[in-house]
This record gives sequence, structure tokens and C-alpha cells, in this order.
Amino acid sequence: EAGVAQSPRYKIIEKRQSVAFWCNPISGHATLYWYQQILGQGPKLLIQFQNNGVVDDSQLPKDRFSAERLKGVDSTLKIQPAKLEDSAVYLCASSPRWSGDGEAFFGQGTRLTVV
Amino acid sequence: AQSVTQPDIHITVSEGASLELRCNYSYGATPYLFWYVQSPGQGLQLLLKYFSGDTLVQGIKGFEAEFKRSQSSFNLRKPSVHWSDAAEYFCAVGAGTASKLTFGTGTRLQVTL
Repeated sequence: EAGVAQSPRYKIIEKRQSVAFWCNPISGHATLYWYQQILGQGPKLLIQFQNNGVVDDSQLPKDRFSAERLKGVDSTLKIQPAKLEDSAVYLCASSPRWSGDGEAFFGQGTRLTVV
Repeated sequence: AQSVTQPDIHITVSEGASLELRCNYSYGATPYLFWYVQSPGQGLQLLLKYFSGDTLVQGIKGFEAEFKRSQSSFNLRKPSVHWSDAAEYFCAVGAGTASKLTFGTGTRLQVTL
């Protein structure tokens, strides 16, 4: 079974530029998460999708971050404009369901450096 | 809301010595509990998980963890550490769901030869 795919693996941009990350979850997984992991910290949830609807985006900085999940499968996370403090690893995870014991499976992440 | 505390930011052990990494959580009911390991530049690898049942769980790479409800703890242990175990370790809790996780700040393990 293929895992969660993310691209690109690495991205370097200048501040105030825009950037987008892509995630392809495990086939059939209805729930998708984006996490932000700043260096030296644990991952922090940004947004949760159930199929193509947003369940929780309370931690998403909506003035500059946006995310969508087209057709309930792939998802993109966008930052516009980027700030230096957005430098982090962005992890995507998917789960067969959002309640109970359906655990999440993580992708390898996209490492973003904002200079 | 749930929270996770990993009191030790950095731990150094000698190869062959035993290891215990601490994790305390805050949640009113029985949570879903996880330990992940992350090597530099790598993704998260699941070491073990606790959902219910036996409070001592076995994981990969010779790791085990014990859920202690009375202490709200889920400490990770390994009887004999190998140099390849050097990495960052994260404890995580799921409140009512095994997929939406709150992570601790991590413990960096250094292994001396």
C-alpha cells in the first residue's frame, strides 16, 4: 500500500513570496491533516479535512495560509506571503476516519526555508 | 484541551545503557497514546501506540512503553540503547480519536560510544 506522498521535499523562498505544498493521502482515507513542525518543536496541527470539508482550522493563520482538498483526495497548502517564521517542516497525514481508533499515517514532509 | 509534556529536552546515555524517556499527558478520559521517532531530515516513524488493554506495549526496535493512568504517564523505555537510536523522540496524544494528535516538544537523545 502506498503511503502519504508529499511534494516538494524541499523549498527555499524569499520572504513575501508565495509557496504551495501538495499532499496525496493514502487511497480511501477520508481524513487529512496538515501539521507545521518548527525546528526544535513538536508538530502542531494547522488544519483538518474530512473528505473535502474543513473540520478544524482553528490553528491556521488565515491571513496568510490557505488550504484546500479538491474532490476529497489531494490537498494543497499555500502560504502567501511567506514570513521568516514560516520556516518549518510541513507534514501531511491521513487517516481512514477522524474518530475512534483510525490512526494517522504521516508523509515525509516538505522542508520550507524562508530567507 | 489535551496537552503533552516531555520534561527532558535532551538526554545523553552511553551505548548499552538503559533508557527511559518521560511523557505526561493531560486529558480527562483514556487517550490514544503514541511515541514517534524522528532522525535528522527524516519523517516521523511510529515506534508504538496504546489504544486500550494491556498497559505495557511493545514497539519496534526493542522499545516498550507503559501506560500509567494514575500518573497520567506513558514513558518510553529500552533496556539497551544502540548508537543508531540517537534521534528526536516525540510523545503524542489523541483525545477521542487516534488520528488528530497533540505532540509534545520532543526529547533529543544522544548516545555516546
